Amino acid sequence: KNEVEQSPQNLTAQEGEFITINCSYSVGISALHWLQQHPGGGIVSLFMLSSGKKKHGRLIATINIQEKHSSLHITASHPRDSAVYICAVRSTGTASKLTFGTGTRLQVTL
Amino acid sequence: NAGVTQTPKFRVLKTGQSMTLLCAQDMNHEYMYWYRQDPGMGLRLIHYSVGEGTTAKGEVPDGYNVSRLKKQNFLLGLESAAPSQTSVYFCASGNLGHLGLNTEAFFGQGTRLTVV
Repeated sequence: KNEVEQSPQNLTAQEGEFITINCSYSVGISALHWLQQHPGGGIVSLFMLSSGKKKHGRLIATINIQEKHSSLHITASHPRDSAVYICAVRSTGTASKLTFGTGTRLQVTL
Repeated sequence: NAGVTQTPKFRVLKTGQSMTLLCAQDMNHEYMYWYRQDPGMGLRLIHYSVGEGTTAKGEVPDGYNVSRLKKQNFLLGLESAAPSQTSVYFCASGNLGHLGLNTEAFFGQGTRLTVV
């Protein structure tokens, strides 16, 4: 079992829909990152969380440390949100290394 | 502010050839990393560095070497390329902030390497 599991693996939504991507992990962590990878490959950091909730524009990320679970929400989705969303965790005691999920491929259609 | 820059962006190698991928960051980050990304798998750590002059092995270090002679540069070398090293390679950098709390990770644009 991977240390970081994401669901769903693939997601298709219509423009305007509310989207949720989930991330579960099995180790103790000091931080969790949500990343976005567009076609063409570049990876951008969206959020870094260690507790609670963060919001940036139409994106919301939450984390429940006790349940070892995080969610990334996109409100009023748009075709430009189409990308692969990757969850990564920084395990406690590993100083600086990230463990990555395999990503959720999101396609938002008109 | 360029952030993290990787060169080259694309490369095709023949089996047995060598090459070096360069990662440069202008954010004065202490930590730098090299990952590879393969279909159906999460990014996997090849090597990393926690400061100038230091390097350490990650999950999949075999077949690769690294050097961090200058704080801003982290080089990834393939001495004798193999088809199994066909992948997309990402460099990243970051810092540990106050009290060891993490800061964001910044990624390069990736290098698509094909070994034939």
